[in-house]
Amino acid sequence: DGGITQSPKYLFRKEGQNVTLSCEQNLNHDAMYWYRQDPGQGLRLIYYSQIVNDFQKGDIAEGYSVSREKKESFPLTVTSAQKNPTAFYLCASSNGQLINEQFFGPGTRLTVL
Amino acid sequence: SQQGEEDPQALSIQEGENATMNCSYKTSINNLQWYRQNSGRGLVHLILIRSNEREKHSGRLRVTLDTSKKSSSLLITASRAADTASYFCATASLTDSWGKLQFGAGTQVVVTP
Repeated sequence: DGGITQSPKYLFRKEGQNVTLSCEQNLNHDAMYWYRQDPGQGLRLIYYSQIVNDFQKGDIAEGYSVSREKKESFPLTVTSAQKNPTAFYLCASSNGQLINEQFFGPGTRLTVL
Repeated sequence: SQQGEEDPQALSIQEGENATMNCSYKTSINNLQWYRQNSGRGLVHLILIRSNEREKHSGRLRVTLDTSKKSSSLLITASRAADTASYFCATASLTDSWGKLQFGAGTQVVVTP
């Protein structure tokens, strides 16, 4: 059963704490992406990775960090430096070519208490 | 920054009616894609239209692209209650890096039985 998974579905964090969101794919895709979605808005790109051990900042990278040690995994850490972290986070993957669609995970809803 | 802007922001129709939504964008594109998002879920790819195409069909979906006006439309014919969702356009720019997409804010569609 191929696809992209994210965990946990819901996450609660106290202010000042770092938290890591998991994203795993078994589609053998080279490229992976992290997006943030706020209520009633579209997706904004946080980070993306075209290949293992390489990643680039998106439009809103401040306060976030990522790693890409394995092709299948692209975890996102929301640090305490992110001023307004409460949001819906979506991970996606694609085979990386410009022409192709992105496949999305089910998302993680992060709430900062 | 968001590349695409959808219009209208929200649309309410009855089952059997057609739903039309529009997307405008700013820069030259390689392709434009439409995605659907059910509430609290990840996005699902619907259709991709390349910059050298003017119209594309997939089942009850019809997409048009006018690169001279930098706009696209998505038509859902004979709508069903299951079509209730938010619909997003996303553009793959000619100048952006490999595989990046810019999403609009979306059109929220409600189909009542």
